[in-house]
Amino acid sequence: DQQVKQNSPSLSVQEGRISILNCDYTNSMFDYFLWYKKYPAEGPTFLISISSIKDKNEDGRFTVFLNKSAKHLSLHIVPSQPGDSAVYFCAASEIGGANSKLTFGKGITLSVRP
Amino acid sequence: DVKVTQSSRYLVKRTGEKVFLECVQDMDHENMFWYRQDPGLGLRLIYFSYDVKMKEKGDIPEGYSVSREKKERFSLILESASTNQTSMYLCASSAFTQSNQPQHFGDGTRLSIL
Repeated sequence: DQQVKQNSPSLSVQEGRISILNCDYTNSMFDYFLWYKKYPAEGPTFLISISSIKDKNEDGRFTVFLNKSAKHLSLHIVPSQPGDSAVYFCAASEIGGANSKLTFGKGITLSVRP
Repeated sequence: DVKVTQSSRYLVKRTGEKVFLECVQDMDHENMFWYRQDPGLGLRLIYFSYDVKMKEKGDIPEGYSVSREKKERFSLILESASTNQTSMYLCASSAFTQSNQPQHFGDGTRLSIL
């Protein structure tokens, strides 16, 4: 059973516009959520995270929103740039996760058109 | 900056061979992880370790084993390689703390089993 779901496999947006990447989860024990970005032939790079005690975390052009009641989070990229074109993975870990074991979604491929 | 180094970027082996994938991190992290990434499946956890000589099975441990003799090094072993183990293998590390910490990834090893 997939505990972290990224239901849209791809997203295409125009440069300068907003990109919204969505993620849903089913495990109520998840309390820490992360987004990773991955270019081909490279390892994933940590982008931004959010703890379940918050509903928003912002870092520059990247903002993550968490809706615990809906078990949904989203990553907003504003403004989108061609260099943002990559695969984005949503990940989550459980309460007390000092071992930081993560469960990943399948990823979404973002294409930003110049 | 955290540096996670995987010994090979590309590797070609034959069916039945014993294969070793090496990973070294330079941040004195307690936790280390091995994943494989396949198209449409995201990142799946094979094994992880939260201390020297400790190991825990992940979601897909079958056909693999691991070794953690030193804190900085975590090895993934394919005892008898098979074609369905052709994949991108990713190593990651993270600190063991009271709160959640992101994992930091290496650049991956693209393994082909012929």
